[in-house]
Amino acid sequence: EDQVTQSPEALRLQEGESSSLNCSYTVSGLRGLFWYRQDPGKGPEFLFTLYSAGEEKEKERLKATLTKKESFLHITAPKPEDSATYLCAGMDSNYQLIWGAGTKLIIKP
Amino acid sequence: DVKVTQSSRYLVKRTGEKVFLECVQDMDHENMFWYRQDPGLGLRLIYFSYDVKMKEKGDIPEGYSVSREKKERFSLILESASTNQTSMYLCASSLFYSGKGRRKPQHFGDGTRLSIL
Repeated sequence: EDQVTQSPEALRLQEGESSSLNCSYTVSGLRGLFWYRQDPGKGPEFLFTLYSAGEEKEKERLKATLTKKESFLHITAPKPEDSATYLCAGMDSNYQLIWGAGTKLIIKP
Repeated sequence: DVKVTQSSRYLVKRTGEKVFLECVQDMDHENMFWYRQDPGLGLRLIYFSYDVKMKEKGDIPEGYSVSREKKERFSLILESASTNQTSMYLCASSLFYSGKGRRKPQHFGDGTRLSIL
């Protein structure tokens, strides 16, 4: 069964303290790995798509990487405004997204 | 920017009522989706549509139906609302094809928080 697991469930960091969020997947025929950010009371906002192992994408303080089993979202020197829930999803061979439950990131000033 | 608009942010209904959730997108996207989001669970797909008057069941279609009479509008219908349908409902849209066989990401509305009493 296709599955996407995110860890940790929640992560508290001090402002400026870099870290990584993990997205482990078992999705047959993976067509892409998607990262989204979700603020409270809002819908998910698209961040990145990664298509093949070894690929990396960057946006401001965020960098996403992909291996054959997992993806990482690295956050460098985070600021309080980076606080949000980060979701990842794998696109299966039928072009449907399999979603993880998310990591809630809290950045303290 | 893509804009997906859901008609209500908050909705309170009673058990047994027929409930309509509306979603409109302004980017001429072929694909539209309805998800529900519950704490501790990933987004779960209820129904999706690839074109006008087309619909496909997702992972949890029981108790729901959908309607797509126009390309920009996708409606979710709870035929007889029950308390276990209390949830956050998210609508999304995407392009069907994006060159080189790759898919464009889904773009989401801000959700409807539905409470069934």
